Amino acid sequence: AQSVAQPEDQVNVAEGNPLTVKCTYSVSGNPYLFWYVQYPNRGLQFLLKYITGDNLVKGSYGFEAEFNKSQTSFHLKKPSALVSDSALYFCAVRDPISGGYNKLIFGAGTRLAVHP
Amino acid sequence: DAGVTQSPTHLIKTRGQQVTLRCSPKSGHDTVSWYQQALGQGPQFIFQYYEEEERQRGNFPDRFSGHQFPNYSSELNVNALLLGDSALYLCASSLEPLVGTGELFFGEGSRLTVL
Repeated sequence: AQSVAQPEDQVNVAEGNPLTVKCTYSVSGNPYLFWYVQYPNRGLQFLLKYITGDNLVKGSYGFEAEFNKSQTSFHLKKPSALVSDSALYFCAVRDPISGGYNKLIFGAGTRLAVHP
Repeated sequence: DAGVTQSPTHLIKTRGQQVTLRCSPKSGHDTVSWYQQALGQGPQFIFQYYEEEERQRGNFPDRFSGHQFPNYSSELNVNALLLGDSALYLCASSLEPLVGTGELFFGEGSRLTVL
């Protein structure tokens, strides 16, 4: 079955330190991978995506993610965390069975808390 | 440029009632998808509408139905509400139903509480 796992419910990091939010996936074929962020009482906002090409993808707000096919991972990273980065982060993969339609499978989410 | 707008933002219903949620896609978008986000979970795909037809459906019962209008706006209807239907319902729009950029634009959601 197609799935996305975010092994950490919460990640705590001090402001100015690098952050990593982990994501692993299990899909057939080539994965299309995404990261979204959700602030309190708000909808999801797109951060970045990997479709093909360079394994290091750069996105909004200084975030980047590294695609690792051998480890089936797509970890989200940022060199220097800000308190304003505190939010709920979701990793998602396109459902390959959907026949190309824009149907995403989301992980359960990881809450990032950046402390001053 | 208006983003995705949803209404109502909050609503409370009782078991057995019916509810209708509404969504207007981002300007220029013609495809609308609906997701259910239960508390503490990631969003789950309900269905997608394009050209006024349901194109894809997730693992949700027939109590969940939808509609897309000629102006691309959409409605989600849930009949015979159960306590387990309490969730944040998210509408997402995109430029096309197939994976192009793959970027979905989400509204802020309609929070449904079933008592």
